[in-house]
Amino acid sequence: EAGVAQSPRYKIIEKRQSVAFWCNPISGHATLYWYQQILGQGPKLLIQFQNNGVVDDSQLPKDRFSAERLKGVDSTLKIQPAKLEDSAVYLCASSRSADSSGNTIYFGEGSWLTVV
Amino acid sequence: SQQGEEDPQALSIQEGENATMNCSYKTSINNLQWYRQNSGRGLVHLILIRSNEREKHSGRLRVTLDTSKNSSSLLITASRAADTASYFCARSDSGYALNFGKGTSLLVTP
Repeated sequence: EAGVAQSPRYKIIEKRQSVAFWCNPISGHATLYWYQQILGQGPKLLIQFQNNGVVDDSQLPKDRFSAERLKGVDSTLKIQPAKLEDSAVYLCASSRSADSSGNTIYFGEGSWLTVV
Repeated sequence: SQQGEEDPQALSIQEGENATMNCSYKTSINNLQWYRQNSGRGLVHLILIRSNEREKHSGRLRVTLDTSKNSSSLLITASRAADTASYFCARSDSGYALNFGKGTSLLVTP
């Protein structure tokens, strides 16, 4: 079974520029997550999709971050304009359902963003 | 869903020793999961322990859950250099995405 695919793996941009990350979840997984992980901290949920609908985006900085999951499969996370504090690893994850109480969540390798 | 606190933040041991890390919450825990993250990689699921379970084993891993204290512990026995990683707990509530703590950084030296 193929895992969660993410690209690009590494990206360096200047502040105020824009960047987009792409994620392809495990086939058949209805739920997709984007987490932000700042160095030395645990992952923080940015947004959760169930199929192509948003379940939770309460911690997504909507003035600069946007995400979409067209057709309920692949997803794109965009940052525009980027700030220095956006330097982090952006982790995409997927699971069979939105009920985390008994679900295993599978993570991609992450997209490393450095804003200079 | 509330973030957990892991203890210790960092742990350094020698190969063959046991490593114990703890996780606690301020509110009641139902189900809880542990994940491992090797440097520069994504998180990997280790074990899920449900509210009606007190202890669970998986290979060299032993997880306990004390719902009366809202806490859990992860024990790695006979540690190896390959166990060097960060370990995260995450409460696992129905209707919520996993909420991770800051993690415990484990270093196992030969």
